[in-house]
Amino acid sequence: GESVGLHLPTLSVQEGDNSIINCAYSNSASDYFIWYKQESGKGPQFIIDIRSNMDKRQGQRVTVLLNKTVKHLSLQIAATQPGDSAVYFCAENSGQAGTALIFGKGTTLSVSS
Amino acid sequence: GAVVSQHPSRVICKSGTSVKIECRSLDFQATTMFWYRQFPKQSLMLMATSNEGSKATYEQGVEKDKFLINHASLTLSTLTVTSAHPEDSSFYICSARDPSGRPDTQYFGPGTRLTVL
Repeated sequence: GESVGLHLPTLSVQEGDNSIINCAYSNSASDYFIWYKQESGKGPQFIIDIRSNMDKRQGQRVTVLLNKTVKHLSLQIAATQPGDSAVYFCAENSGQAGTALIFGKGTTLSVSS
Repeated sequence: GAVVSQHPSRVICKSGTSVKIECRSLDFQATTMFWYRQFPKQSLMLMATSNEGSKATYEQGVEKDKFLINHASLTLSTLTVTSAHPEDSSFYICSARDPSGRPDTQYFGPGTRLTVL
């Protein structure tokens, strides 16, 4: 089965609000985590990543938090915009070069203006 | 960032025909490529790992004779869906790993929508 999953299937927010999308993983050996954004009919687009030796990483308007104790990953989007509407997936792998990413089930973010 | 392309972006075929999907890394050499399929409103499911010059490694439940993968060069991997049936209709996405970059960075193609009538 999938080693990464758990999510809220949908999240609806108002423009300008902050969004938090959650993900749980079960593989303690997972070393590398990535958040992807997928718009309808397109391939996944890289947002931000984090390695297991970190607990927080910030990008432009996005922050990823990693809690290894409870195997939980979250993506925070600041000042959410309508263009952020998409499906968001967390993905993980063991960190070994050449291994595939395992994707979680995804959360659909809807931003209303 | 690195660019991965897929061709075609959409294909409609009759049941029983074979369809080839190409995945190309445009500005880097990809020693490893991955093929995923995605059904509507579902996540990406790994089908196989393709290493240049060797046989692909298929995930459990994926028929290797049904989904032929060839990775003959460092910039091209192909997925051929043989004797396609309506249940093979899906969104097929490839990704490629850039060995010169971060070890785990994978770049995804835009996907190919396959519809089998």
